Amino acid sequence: AQSVTQLGSHVSVSEGALVLLRCNYSSSVPPYLFWYVQYPNQGLQLLLKYTTGATLVKGINGFEAEFKKSETSFHLTKPSAHMSDAAEYFCAVTGPGGYQKVTFGTGTKLQVIP
Amino acid sequence: GAVVSQHPSWVICKSGTSVKIECRSLDFQATTMFWYRQFPKQSLMLMATSNEGSKATYEQGVEKDKFLINHASLTLSTLTVTSAHPEDSSFYICSASDLPGNEQFFGPGTRLTVL
Repeated sequence: AQSVTQLGSHVSVSEGALVLLRCNYSSSVPPYLFWYVQYPNQGLQLLLKYTTGATLVKGINGFEAEFKKSETSFHLTKPSAHMSDAAEYFCAVTGPGGYQKVTFGTGTKLQVIP
Repeated sequence: GAVVSQHPSWVICKSGTSVKIECRSLDFQATTMFWYRQFPKQSLMLMATSNEGSKATYEQGVEKDKFLINHASLTLSTLTVTSAHPEDSSFYICSASDLPGNEQFFGPGTRLTVL
């Protein structure tokens, strides 16, 4: 079975500062990894995903994440936070068979301070 | 492409009544649809997986007689919460994929409040 651990349920950064949201995963097979963003009372929007190939993945809104197999991590970063980045972020991992069963982390709420 | 819609976006109902939530894939045929529930300040929990034309597979702990799922066409799945109670109040999100094992695309969610 696969699992995801997101360190820090709340993260606060100043506008313009680096955003770093941490995600560690556990999977018995090569994982597919995702980051989703959720704004209040809305569904999930895919930020980026890693399946195979290049370990540094670039997504929308200036976010990127790096798959590090040796550390079983898939941390999300953005060089400069914007007020519009304030939202909840979920890391997710799939199990065997690709996208069939997605397991979500508990989420990290990002606050951006002006 | 790959747009999934849900209707309604929010619903308030009285305890004991039934509520139906629709999930539609607008620009692709979804052989598989998923239903998730999200309680406040918590993550998404998979409730069930439905394949078009067959019975849904429910996750452990989810009452299949309470949460009725129908996936009668390649573009529509419905979740009916029967005899709703206040503890069923939650945010329900569906997702859809064109083939089993392919990427899931998420709907915008439905906020259910049971009074």
